[in-house]
Amino acid sequence: GAGVSQTPSNKVTEKGKYVELRCDPISGHTALYWYRQSLGQGPEFLIYFQGTGAADDSGLPNDRFFAVRPEGSVSTLKIQRTERGDSAVYLCASSLGAIAGTDTQYFGPGTRLTVL
Amino acid sequence: AQKVTQAQTEISVVEKEDVTLDCVYETRDTTYYLFWYKQPPSGELVFLIRRNSFDEQNEISGRYSWNFQKSTSSFNFTITASQVVDSAVYFCALSEANYGQNFVFGPGTRLSVLP
Repeated sequence: GAGVSQTPSNKVTEKGKYVELRCDPISGHTALYWYRQSLGQGPEFLIYFQGTGAADDSGLPNDRFFAVRPEGSVSTLKIQRTERGDSAVYLCASSLGAIAGTDTQYFGPGTRLTVL
Repeated sequence: AQKVTQAQTEISVVEKEDVTLDCVYETRDTTYYLFWYKQPPSGELVFLIRRNSFDEQNEISGRYSWNFQKSTSSFNFTITASQVVDSAVYFCALSEANYGQNFVFGPGTRLSVLP
């Protein structure tokens, strides 16, 4: 497809479980970003990748959150021991490069995570 | 530190009215970029515009226009002759050139255009 895709679109899990959220960026985009959006709020930055490496993970809330991008394309956000407070929409975005601030980020439709 | 304020939480207008969405930002950087995104009920953020801090020219794109004023740290967005399809949440965002790709979004303004 032409845009950023994310799977699953919805994920319901129980407190304490492990979840993986997947993001497939726009082809050719080297930079990839993860955000979390809680109800009624703007997206909150979590982490961004330039190629395979995490260039900035300062937004990850704690060590239960981890993300990888092993081949510089698809990325997986992993959440261990989920808590009810993790419930949110997780957004992925990609941009052509990562020249500081210049590149427009294009967003996927998000994964709605619900932790019961 | 970066900060984006959108003081209007919700706005309702009747179709064909003009509406302005306010955005005020704070930054420590001299080079920065401002963005507007639209989030319709479907949920996907749609890019509308990017502006760099050195370009204060106002921009018009169809019914949309943007007014960037560094003196007041504002980047306001006006929709002329609003339509029902404009109903969405609109986010203003800021990225600092010298502090990486960490976008900071404002809290958003929910616009409802009534028929």
